[in-house]
Amino acid sequence: AQSVTQLDSHVSVSEGTPVLLRCNYSSSYSPSLFWYVQHPNKGLQLLLKYTSAATLVKGINGFEAEFKKSETSFHLTKPSAHMSDAAEYFCVVSESSNYQLIWGAGTKLIIKP
Amino acid sequence: DSGVTQTPKHLITATGQRVTLRCSPRSGDLSVYWYQQSLDQGLQFLIQYYNGEERAKGNILERFSAQQFPDLHSELNLSSLELGDSALYFCASSAVLRADTGELFFGEGSRLTVL
Repeated sequence: AQSVTQLDSHVSVSEGTPVLLRCNYSSSYSPSLFWYVQHPNKGLQLLLKYTSAATLVKGINGFEAEFKKSETSFHLTKPSAHMSDAAEYFCVVSESSNYQLIWGAGTKLIIKP
Repeated sequence: DSGVTQTPKHLITATGQRVTLRCSPRSGDLSVYWYQQSLDQGLQFLIQYYNGEERAKGNILERFSAQQFPDLHSELNLSSLELGDSALYFCASSAVLRADTGELFFGEGSRLTVL
């Protein structure tokens, strides 16, 4: 069965410094992988999606993620954090049996001024 | 604005009661998903409808049921409520059948508090 682990429940960075949110997945096949963002009191929004094309995926708002099969990782990065990036980020993997999405527990990103 | 509308935004009720959550998908989207988000947890998939038919079931309790109507809006019915049902319930819609091939558009959620 597929599963996804977000390695940090909270990440705190200063504005203007790089962001790294870590995600490991477990899958017996080549899954689709996603990052979604949830701003306070808002619904979730797709940041980016990997579906076996390029291993480096660019998303919205300057975020990108790299699929590393050998490490079963799909970490999310951004070169320079902005205050508006403060939100909760979810790593998501697709289920092979019914194509549904399996969600990580989330990483809360805190941006210090 | 995602185009997905959920009502009510907040709901407080007592144990043993029944509530109905409503979702209007984005115009033209045929797929509707329901998710439950409990405190400090990721989303748990409950159920998916596509063009009025149930397509997939996740960890949905027997006390919960859902349906999608001909106008494509959907309702999630929660009955015999327990304290543990307190959560944020999200609806999402998509233009395609498979959750892994399209983008899911989420509503802002319905926060249910069971006292």
